Amino acid sequence: SQQGEEDPQALSIQEGENATMNCSYKTSINNLQWYRQNSGRGLVHLILIRSNEREKHSGRLRVTLDTSKKSSSLLITASRAADTASYFCATDDDNFNKFYFGSGTKLNVKP
Amino acid sequence: EAQVTQNPRYLITVTGKKLTVTCSQNMNHEYMSWYRQDPGLGLRQIYYSMNVEVTDKGDVPEGYKVSRKEKRNFPLILESPSPNQTSLYFCASSLSGGRGNIQYFGAGTRLSVL
Repeated sequence: SQQGEEDPQALSIQEGENATMNCSYKTSINNLQWYRQNSGRGLVHLILIRSNEREKHSGRLRVTLDTSKKSSSLLITASRAADTASYFCATDDDNFNKFYFGSGTKLNVKP
Repeated sequence: EAQVTQNPRYLITVTGKKLTVTCSQNMNHEYMSWYRQDPGLGLRQIYYSMNVEVTDKGDVPEGYKVSRKEKRNFPLILESPSPNQTSLYFCASSLSGGRGNIQYFGAGTRLSVL
């Protein structure tokens, strides 16, 4: 069973614009993480938000978490061409053992 | 340099020919995991290991085996590969299970089963 589902599946914006992608999940979580994947490569961790947190910032990244709606959003401000990648949310299960990744949002930032 | 190393990076094989994909980490992490990535399906967890000699099934374990005899190594074994196991495979490690620990990923192994 897949926990996270990202929306939109694909997003194309101009450099300098903001990019927002959303993640919804099905059951209660302990933590939610966002990862980035450059084409065909390994995933790289971006940011983690715990279930008792509502918002977190890291550089140009802003993540929000709404546990009542079982959803999270990732905002990338002032996007750059180098931000072009796929972005995945990941949640863990109650025992902290299993991880569930969504199908990802493919972001294209045009120079 | 902290890293997760997978080998081989690319592999083409035929149905039924046993293969092993190796994974090694140099961060003394307790938790290791294997994922497969297919278009439109994201990453799905195959197996994970909480520590040496402790392994458990993820969401899609059928057709795969793993072992964890040493802390640093977590090989993925396909005893009799089939075409539906053609996929991009990732190994990952983290300090200790979920609990907010970041996963570090290898570069991936692209497997084609003919």
